[in-house]
Amino acid sequence: KAGVTQTPRYLIKTRGQQVTLSCSPISGHRSVSWYQQTPGQGLQFLFEYFSETQRNKGNFPGRFSGRQFSNSRSEMNVSTLELGDSALYLCASSLRQHYGYTFGSGTRLTVV
Amino acid sequence: GNSVTQMEGPVTLSEEAFLTINCTYTATGYPSLFWYVQYPGEGLQLLLKATKADDKGSNKGFEATYRKETTSFHLEKGSVQVSDSAVYFCALSDLGTASKLTFGTGTRLQVTL
Repeated sequence: KAGVTQTPRYLIKTRGQQVTLSCSPISGHRSVSWYQQTPGQGLQFLFEYFSETQRNKGNFPGRFSGRQFSNSRSEMNVSTLELGDSALYLCASSLRQHYGYTFGSGTRLTVV
Repeated sequence: GNSVTQMEGPVTLSEEAFLTINCTYTATGYPSLFWYVQYPGEGLQLLLKATKADDKGSNKGFEATYRKETTSFHLEKGSVQVSDSAVYFCALSDLGTASKLTFGTGTRLQVTL
């Protein structure tokens, strides 16, 4: 079956711009989580959505937001980009928490 | 809060050597424990998991046992291959934080011929 699909794979944006990243979970998975991965901070949890509702949120500023659609697809948005937002953004989906999460290949965002 | 501590890398081994990557955790509840692997340029792949004390997770020759008394979940493999070269992440989730995974910093493994 198809895995978690993230688009685009690579993005280059300018400081101050905004960006939207997309994630299509595995069919039947209703939980979608987002993580930021950087060399300095490692893997950090952004937020999680379940049935279109944000169920959990990490410690990121309000410039980071997300949403989930009725088909479980999710988007995350970062407004007013800063250089420090350059990172690999990973999306993960799960059928149930303790089953573990399946991750996509990520979107690599570079802010210049 | 929850935290995961992994041994510093990189770990460099010859092919067919025995691998151990240490992982210890701190959690307020009864967490589930995971090992993920990340190959260059890729996302994370779930390698194995354990959901309660004394459970042993295993996959592709890798094993880890959930030790509540020592709060550990060390990853082992009896004979590594060059294709095992990757970064390995230990992670936990608990009921209190719902779906949030807390990751360790990752351990890079390099296997040489």
